[in-house]
Amino acid sequence: KQEVTQIPAALSVPEGENLVLNCSFTDSAIYNLQWFRQDPGKGLTSLLLIQSSQREQTSGRLNASLDKSSGRSTLYIAASQPGDSATYLCAVERNYQLIWGAGTKLIIKP
Amino acid sequence: EAGVAQSPRYKIIEKRQSVAFWCNPISGHATLYWYQQILGQGPKLLIQFQNNGVVDDSQLPKDRFSAERLKGVDSTLKIQPAKLEDSAVYLCASSLSPWDRGSPNYGYTFGSGTRLTVV
Repeated sequence: KQEVTQIPAALSVPEGENLVLNCSFTDSAIYNLQWFRQDPGKGLTSLLLIQSSQREQTSGRLNASLDKSSGRSTLYIAASQPGDSATYLCAVERNYQLIWGAGTKLIIKP
Repeated sequence: EAGVAQSPRYKIIEKRQSVAFWCNPISGHATLYWYQQILGQGPKLLIQFQNNGVVDDSQLPKDRFSAERLKGVDSTLKIQPAKLEDSAVYLCASSLSPWDRGSPNYGYTFGSGTRLTVV
């Protein structure tokens, strides 16, 4: 059974720092991995999608990597800003369904 | 492109009452999903439609929850009767067909969700 774990559960850092969020999964037979952002009381916004054949994807200050063999993905946020404060969730797609982590709650202090 | 539309945004009902949620997916997205998200947890898939057919409803509490997707476009999710533990955010999402998984446009798009409180 596929399980997705995100560490840490919560993170608070000063503005301007570079930071890394971690996602691990137990079964490497995945189609893709996606990172989402969720603001309080709102829906999910897709940030990056990494196909199983890819190693990384970049969008602005965000970079996500995927290592299927070790069952890991990282989301790198450069030069963090208070507006980056949100919960970040990763999900792996397998058998036409998304398996979710519980998320990392990120707080960027001004 | 327009996003996934959901309504209502918020709903408060008493236990044993009924409630319905509506979702309009992105045009051209064949697959539609309903998720339940309890505070502090990742979303839990309730039901997945491919066009107007059900692909997976294994986690849908069928004694009280029902969903339909008429004409393969809009969808409604209903709860009757509601229980206290149904309090959650209900998210609708859509995507291209799984056969389009290799497309650069593939990915899940979520609506803003409906926050349900059962008192």
